[in-house]
Amino acid sequence: NAGVMQNPRHLVRRRGQEARLRCSPMKGHSHVYWYRQLPEEGLKFMVYLQKENIIDESGMPKERFSAEFPKEGPSILRIQQVVRGDSAAYFCASSPKAAANSGNTIYFGEGSWLTVV
Amino acid sequence: DAKTTQPTSMDCAEGRAANLPCNHSTISGNEYVYWYRQIHSQGPQYIIHGLKNNETNEMASLIITEDRKSSTLILPHATLRDTAVYYCIVGNTGNQFYFGTGTSLTVIP
Repeated sequence: NAGVMQNPRHLVRRRGQEARLRCSPMKGHSHVYWYRQLPEEGLKFMVYLQKENIIDESGMPKERFSAEFPKEGPSILRIQQVVRGDSAAYFCASSPKAAANSGNTIYFGEGSWLTVV
Repeated sequence: DAKTTQPTSMDCAEGRAANLPCNHSTISGNEYVYWYRQIHSQGPQYIIHGLKNNETNEMASLIITEDRKSSTLILPHATLRDTAVYYCIVGNTGNQFYFGTGTSLTVIP
């Protein structure tokens, strides 16, 4: 049973370029979460999606960041016009059901490390 | 906002039990206690979770006090590979698992 798959594992972008990070949830999971971890900091929630719907994007920066989880294919976290402050590890997690106050567990992928030069 | 309090760091001798405490005095009745750990440069790994009763699995045991205001994660026989940051998470406010600063556990040979 494959875990949460993220790619690329490492990505280098120049300032102003776009970064696309992909996440394939565990089999049977239709709920996806994105977290960001800045260097030497804890994980911060960004967005929660269910197939084709954004449920909670309260942690997403207002500009340049977007996320989608189409009916077919992986979830995509897109960062436009990257800046050096976007350099971080981006983790995706998935769950079979909504995690809110239900005792369900979310499982994380190994992360995508973005470096902006 | 942090709903848990954990020591910043702990050491444990290899082969001994590692007991990681967590205070969650404001926990509400339907909130679960979760534990994750993160080994350097890897994704967070689920360890265990519970509501009221003590729980045990192949990785660890979770002891929750009767008033549910604190809990302890027990790694029965710590190995060097257990060196990691351990996060105690209470509930999942809305759809978010709030990761605080955790406890950095170092297992010493």
